[in-house]
Amino acid sequence: NAGVTQTPKFQVLKTGQSMTLQCAQDMNHNSMYWYRQDPGMGLRLIYYSASEGTTDKGEVPNGYNVSRLNKREFSLRLESAAPSQTSVYFCASSEAGGQEKLFFGSGTQLSVL
Amino acid sequence: GENVEQHPSTLSVQEGDSAVIKCTYSDSASNYFPWYKQELGKGPQLIIDIRSNVGEKKDQRIAVTLNKTAKHFSLHITETQPEDSAVYFCAAPYGGSYIPTFGRGTSLIVHP
Repeated sequence: NAGVTQTPKFQVLKTGQSMTLQCAQDMNHNSMYWYRQDPGMGLRLIYYSASEGTTDKGEVPNGYNVSRLNKREFSLRLESAAPSQTSVYFCASSEAGGQEKLFFGSGTQLSVL
Repeated sequence: GENVEQHPSTLSVQEGDSAVIKCTYSDSASNYFPWYKQELGKGPQLIIDIRSNVGEKKDQRIAVTLNKTAKHFSLHITETQPEDSAVYFCAAPYGGSYIPTFGRGTSLIVHP
């Protein structure tokens, strides 16, 4: 019973490097989300996918891109990492949109030097 | 986010005391109000939620109350225990797409 799986758990990048954070859910959920968590700022939405084939910007999308590869997988890409993107990233999913319970992954701790 | 305000940011209580965390929201169309608990090094997990057709919901030592007129909802934890120490987040859906928007979190510390 895996739920939401994120990889990697930890990553250190140099400024300007690129990387992709992977997320997969096995609950047949329609909606998926990427949040970042910074001290004192709570969880801020980067991008979301309401259903397979759609993606939309959230509150803090600059510097990120996403791909909803299929119903299970939703990846987050940093094309040219910056120190301001140092954060903990969480992927989440819900059965159908924001009026349902969110299930979160265990997070990716990213440091950009 | 700014659509959901949460207070206090830190709450320190003695074991056995009650704890109350409050949130206000801006979108009057919101109709789902969850609370999440985040333990150190883990992702948030839902602990209780309420929909707008009820004013209160209880689950053992935790309860959530909702005042739709005033647009605020609260988490109540009674008989607190050290294992209740964590960060708690409220959330409310915002906008026509009902995007889940979170408060900034409350760090609850329960002293034995």
